[in-house]
Amino acid sequence: EAQVTQNPRYLITVTGKKLTVTCSQNMNHEYMSWYRQDPGLGLRQIYYSMNVEVTDKGDVPEGYKVSRKEKRNFPLILESPSPNQTSLYFCASSLSGGGETQYFGPGTRLLVL
Amino acid sequence: GQQVMQIPQYQHVQEGEDFTTYCNSSTTLSNIQWYKQRPGGHPVFLIQLVKSGEVKKQKRLTFQFGEAKKNSSLHITATQTTDVGTYFCAALDNYGQNFVFGPGTRLSVLP
Repeated sequence: EAQVTQNPRYLITVTGKKLTVTCSQNMNHEYMSWYRQDPGLGLRQIYYSMNVEVTDKGDVPEGYKVSRKEKRNFPLILESPSPNQTSLYFCASSLSGGGETQYFGPGTRLLVL
Repeated sequence: GQQVMQIPQYQHVQEGEDFTTYCNSSTTLSNIQWYKQRPGGHPVFLIQLVKSGEVKKQKRLTFQFGEAKKNSSLHITATQTTDVGTYFCAALDNYGQNFVFGPGTRLSVLP
């Protein structure tokens, strides 16, 4: 089954404790992206990757890191989480970006205390 | 950066009533996509519009792209409880690489 998976689905952590949210897709998509969703603000892009070893900042990259060592995986790293990063996070992938349909993962709900 | 606006933010309708959400941009859009997110779920692609004045239908859903390619609408005829969710439009940014999402319209359907 074609899908985008994220782990964990729910996470409660404390300020400053490094964490990683994994994202994996099995569709051989070149383009992957991370969004955060906050009430009233819709989906805001954090980082995106056009292909392996190619990543770029989205609209709200501060406090986040990503890597794309393999085509299928695109982890999101919070080196020192803060309460303002409490949010719902979605990973998405598409065949090649630039107007292609995006397929979203199930989401990761993060609470930073 | 490019901004995409949606109205209304919320809409409550009685089952069987029609519903329309509007997506607007200050700049000309190359294309626009619509997504639906059920409560507790993730966004799911509905449709993409590319041509000026384009109209596409999916059963009770009608999507339209404005003649000037600066706005779009999603109309649902005779809403059902299964239509509940948040509807997002997304416009391709000026670099043609990423989509900018609107804030969404949350639809509630009362049985």
